[in-house]
Amino acid sequence: NAGVTQTPKFQVLKTGQSMTLQCAQDMNHNSMYWYRQDPGMGLRLIYYSASEGTTDKGEVPNGYNVSRLNKREFSLRLESAAPSQTSVYFCASSESLAGRDTQYFGPGTRLTVL
Amino acid sequence: DAKTTQPPSMDCAEGRAANLPCNHSTISGNEYVYWYRQIHSQGPQYIIHGLKNNETNEMASLIITEDRKSSTLILPHATLRDTAVYYCIVRGQHAGGTSYGKLTFGQGTILTVHP
Repeated sequence: NAGVTQTPKFQVLKTGQSMTLQCAQDMNHNSMYWYRQDPGMGLRLIYYSASEGTTDKGEVPNGYNVSRLNKREFSLRLESAAPSQTSVYFCASSESLAGRDTQYFGPGTRLTVL
Repeated sequence: DAKTTQPPSMDCAEGRAANLPCNHSTISGNEYVYWYRQIHSQGPQYIIHGLKNNETNEMASLIITEDRKSSTLILPHATLRDTAVYYCIVRGQHAGGTSYGKLTFGQGTILTVHP
């Protein structure tokens, strides 16, 4: 039972390049999330998916797109990377969106945009 | 979600109990108190959560005051590996409200466990 896994662990991009961050969970959770964490800051929600087939914007969605590929997988795409998107990206999952359901986090993807 | 206030840093001796306080004076009746920690460069790790009653698991205990305006996370026997940033978060109970799915991480408390 690996929990939440993310790939890649590290990535360096040049401004304008695109990439997709992958996330998968094996806990049979319905809801999944993407957060970013900038140095010295708390996590901010980018997008979330209540269940397979649905996605919604969080606090900071600009510059990102997401795909809930199936119940297990939730990907985050940067179409044209900018230096402001240099951050650590965390994926999380939970049984549902309800406050009583714990979110479990992956190990993160460290992205640098030059 | 209700705002939380935590001390920016705390120290603890290895083997002693670490007591981390959190104020959430604007918490409403249907909001849970969650604790996570983040060890350097790792993803946030869930510790414990509660609504009204005190809770205990294999990692920690959570003491919530009767008026629910504050809580304390207790690590009973701190080790060097417990050095981390600890986040106290208040979340709404029901999906569909303004706290829908979101965990609001503040600055947290940097706990340093000394040998």
